[in-house]
Amino acid sequence: QVQLQQWGAGLLKPSETLSLTCAVYGGSFSGYYCSWIRQFPGKGLEWIGEINHIGSTNYNPSLKSRLTMSEDTSKNQFSLKLNSVTAADTALYYCAGRRGEGKYYFDYWGQGSLVTVSS
Amino acid sequence: QSALTQPASVSGSPGQSITISCTGTSSDVGTYNLVSWYQQHPGKAPKLIIYEVDKRPSGVSNLFSGAKSGNTASLTISGLQADDEADYYCCSYAGSSTLVFGGGTKLTVL
Repeated sequence: QVQLQQWGAGLLKPSETLSLTCAVYGGSFSGYYCSWIRQFPGKGLEWIGEINHIGSTNYNPSLKSRLTMSEDTSKNQFSLKLNSVTAADTALYYCAGRRGEGKYYFDYWGQGSLVTVSS
Repeated sequence: QSALTQPASVSGSPGQSITISCTGTSSDVGTYNLVSWYQQHPGKAPKLIIYEVDKRPSGVSNLFSGAKSGNTASLTISGLQADDEADYYCCSYAGSSTLVFGGGTKLTVL
């Protein structure tokens, strides 16, 4: 049974860089895409972007200029960096997995990482 | 890329059926049969309950069903149970390898 576990800094100041990592346990993520999704305090979800095991990325156009995603398949880990954060980036961040090309739904979810941006 | 539109809340009594709508555009819901639905209980991560408009993952109750007409997808829950009380989100492929979510609907079981 594949499980996703994520971690990263929870409190940031404006203009800093958000950095989160998601590790895959219980199986290989080969062929999957690891997406990052955030949930704002008012509860809405926003798809941030995704990366697969060979480093191919797709980004939300509204965030693309601030985003970097990377992968370390030797560790079965995926990472998210979002630079120049503001209070509007305060949210619960999830990593989630989808089964690759044509399969646009999320089977697996991490536990979530709360990120607060405050001066 | 705008969020899909869902009602903020719906309610129903145990045993009743409810339907949650998810309205998009011809750029997402209307063009692609790639709508999924997620159930989220408080403090938990979302859980996939419907994918590709009307397919249920293994282990999901057949009381959950999905459909689509034009730019609007819908989730129907039949035979409401107390445990169905949760937030529900739709998600659609929006072209160019991007996805868009709905704003979420809070279901209250009276």
